[in-house]
Amino acid sequence: DQQVKQNSPSLSVQEGRISILNCDYTNSMFDYFLWYKKYPAEGPTFLISISSIKDKNEDGRFTVFLNKSAKHLSLHIVPSQPGDSAVYFCAASARTYKYIFGTGTRLKVLA
Amino acid sequence: ETGVTQTPRHLVMGMTNKKSLKCEQHLGHNAMYWYKQSAKKPLELMFVYSLEERVENNSVPSRFSPECPNSSHLFLHLHTLQPEDSALYLCASSQEMSARSSYEQYFGPGTRLTVT
Repeated sequence: DQQVKQNSPSLSVQEGRISILNCDYTNSMFDYFLWYKKYPAEGPTFLISISSIKDKNEDGRFTVFLNKSAKHLSLHIVPSQPGDSAVYFCAASARTYKYIFGTGTRLKVLA
Repeated sequence: ETGVTQTPRHLVMGMTNKKSLKCEQHLGHNAMYWYKQSAKKPLELMFVYSLEERVENNSVPSRFSPECPNSSHLFLHLHTLQPEDSALYLCASSQEMSARSSYEQYFGPGTRLTVT
């Protein structure tokens, strides 16, 4: 039973447009969320996080939105660049070291 | 070297072999982790060490044996593995490890293990 779900295995977006990656969770105890980016042959790289006391966190081109009532978070990348092409993982924890990861969404940004 | 490094990057071993995976973190972190990533599955936490003490062993078979000699180094000793153990093994570290708060984890590039 997957507690963290990324229902879109892949996404293609034109360069310069917005990329929206989605993540749903089932455990209402989760209160800290991370996004990671992974290139082939590399480990996941931490991108951005959000605590449940916030509904939005921004870092440059990356914004994470959290909708606690819907148990949904999303990562927006604006504008998308070809270098953003990677697999994106969301992860959630209930204020512990144990993160539950999604299966990832492969983003392809077309030049 | 910066960040988290892992060696070897690729490993092919037979079911009767014994091998070790090595992880080193250069971030001054106090906690280290081993994860397994199988195809089409989410990352699975295997082991957690905090200040060289094991605090989590997530029902991992005894053919996987971790070792943490100091807060910068982590090993995963492998023996009599099965073909289904073929996967990407990722090491990670975090500033601290707490049962009451979360810290970002920083990953190494992984070791791609194939068991024949």
